[in-house]
Amino acid sequence: DIQLTQSPSSLSASVGDRVTITCRARQGISDSLAWYQQKPGKAPNLLLYGAYRLESGVPSRFSGSGSGTEYTLTISSLQPVDSATYYCQQYYTPPLTFGGGTKVEIK
Amino acid sequence: QVQLVESGGGVVQPGGSLRLSCAASGFSFSSYGIHWVRQAPGKGLQWVAFIRYDGSNKNYADSVRGRFTISRDNPTNTVYLQLNSLTTEDTAVYYCAKDRLRSSIAAVGADYWGQGTLVTVSS
Repeated sequence: DIQLTQSPSSLSASVGDRVTITCRARQGISDSLAWYQQKPGKAPNLLLYGAYRLESGVPSRFSGSGSGTEYTLTISSLQPVDSATYYCQQYYTPPLTFGGGTKVEIK
Repeated sequence: QVQLVESGGGVVQPGGSLRLSCAASGFSFSSYGIHWVRQAPGKGLQWVAFIRYDGSNKNYADSVRGRFTISRDNPTNTVYLQLNSLTTEDTAVYYCAKDRLRSSIAAVGADYWGQGTLVTVSS
């Protein structure tokens, strides 16, 4: 199985801040990575796929980058509605796996 | 609009069985793979299983392989997850989710999700 390690596990930032979350894979995953946002009591919401491709309807302040074994999700200007937990997921090879999650709070 | 509705959750004793259903609408069901993902109370997401659009390929997480079985009935737009030999570790909200890519031979992430059904394994 391909283990994904997200960091940090939580962060607190102010509105307007640039926020970066990292997802490291134990082996190369050839950009087969998705990012999801989940708010309490709700189902996850797909933000990006293919490491950097923005899902339709997702605000452009969200972006993805990286290659090989290290990928990042960036929120360019944090908004109050972005308070949530973020997960990366690899689909390079089954079984698919998720990272442990990063909880983003607004100061 | 795309809709996925899970049902079949409930309380079951350790060692018991349960069958979850996922009723889909609003898209060409027989052209998309379907995932099951679970989330234990207060924990992160765990991918459980995937079935290809035509049912010809199924993948499972190591923790459920041999105990859980995913299947689909395309004429009724329904996916099932049979849960056997349940343990307390299987207690979670179970989500079904539509795969992102039409007629894909492999899973490529999920773009629409249901609201989940809670499975509680307890004596």
